[in-house]
Amino acid sequence: DTGVSQNPRHKITKRGQNVTFRCDPISEHNRLYWYRQTLGQGPEFLTYFQNEAQLEKSRLLSDRFSAERPKGSFSTLEIQRTEQGDSAMYLCASSVGPSQPQHFGDGTRLSIL
Amino acid sequence: QQQVKQSPQSLIVQKGGISIINCAYENTAFDYFPWYQQFPGKGPALLIAIRPDVSEKKEGRFTISFNKSAKQFSLHIMDSQPGDSATYFCAASRGGSEKLVFGKGTKLTVNP
Repeated sequence: DTGVSQNPRHKITKRGQNVTFRCDPISEHNRLYWYRQTLGQGPEFLTYFQNEAQLEKSRLLSDRFSAERPKGSFSTLEIQRTEQGDSAMYLCASSVGPSQPQHFGDGTRLSIL
Repeated sequence: QQQVKQSPQSLIVQKGGISIINCAYENTAFDYFPWYQQFPGKGPALLIAIRPDVSEKKEGRFTISFNKSAKQFSLHIMDSQPGDSATYFCAASRGGSEKLVFGKGTKLTVNP
């Protein structure tokens, strides 16, 4: 399978803990995006990268959230001091370049106890 | 402020029927309009997309109709099948910004 890969698929953690998710984009895709989806809603944009450069961040991305793409390949999204409201599906997408279709992975579902 | 409004919230059609989902947008700078299909536990999968220089695009049983003056676009699924039962999202983005703005989704059920 050469699609976008996300790990882990599910993460259960206690409130206040830190969590990190990983996204491996489709090979040769320069752009990588993070979205968050809550139950019954459409995905909401969080941030995106062009290679290793983070080009845009949403207001949704509070100080507790940080994303990296150190070598322009895979990306990580870290949430520090998790809160109940962080419970959601975190989706990663990639595209071959600007204004090209975005292809999504199957997401990481985060549950905060 | 919701920039992309999608309706209906849910839709039930019979096998072989036509499913129609509508979206309206506010930002006239939007210039890319994709539709995604999402099954439970899966990520959204790109179905079809359109840019405002055309009024209609067809791929197999899926057609997008686009009305620039009304700021509306719709997805038509012809000959709907039970396997089409999923949640459908419209989205929009504007040139120079890569973020997709999604509607709230339509849960489609196709009865056999």
